[in-house]
Amino acid sequence: GIQVEQSPPDLILQEGANSTLRCNFSDSVNNLQWFHQNPWGQLINLFYIPSGTKQNGRLSATTVATERYSLLYISSSQTTDSGVYFCAVRAYYGQNFVFGPGTRLSVLP
Amino acid sequence: DAGVIQSPRHEVTEMGQEVTLRCKPISGHNSLFWYRQTMMRGLELLIYFNNNVPIDDSGMPEDRFSAKMPNASFSTLKIQPSEPRDSAVYFCASSFGGTRSPLHFGNGTRLTVT
Repeated sequence: GIQVEQSPPDLILQEGANSTLRCNFSDSVNNLQWFHQNPWGQLINLFYIPSGTKQNGRLSATTVATERYSLLYISSSQTTDSGVYFCAVRAYYGQNFVFGPGTRLSVLP
Repeated sequence: DAGVIQSPRHEVTEMGQEVTLRCKPISGHNSLFWYRQTMMRGLELLIYFNNNVPIDDSGMPEDRFSAKMPNASFSTLKIQPSEPRDSAVYFCASSFGGTRSPLHFGNGTRLTVT
């Protein structure tokens, strides 16, 4: 089945810093989502982005499907950005979403 | 829109007891997914329904687990008998149009089996 890798596994930032999170996948996909799991365990939709670029406030995402990766950009980070960021993909031939292992982000005040 | 609603939020039970987790998907969504999250295995799909019909249950760990979707607005995940290794957070998610559409997750049920 499709493999999903995320990097870095852990990231510590000072408030106000920018960061880039990466998601690599091993096969063609027709669905890709970024989620934020906050410290209370809730999984929050950030982006539905099987291709192209989207922006939402301080966050933006780009998926280059032909090169099998997606990037999540966080600018001017805030302590509320802390948590785990997951990439989830669905392969063209697959039925299921496969989640990456996540990037754990800690933003320090 | 109330989002995906799961109950209970927390469940503590003793080994051997039956556990039933409940999920109400977003109104109008026709696909429902049950996921389990553990530290060791991350987020893994247990079962996926489309139009109330189970499409893929290959992730269901064993016969102790069963899931039903009697109508478009309700699903249950049952564990009987429960074991300590079933302790995890169980998430329900829904979408409109299966896996080609965005998933929306509930807040999860934290299950502890002692």
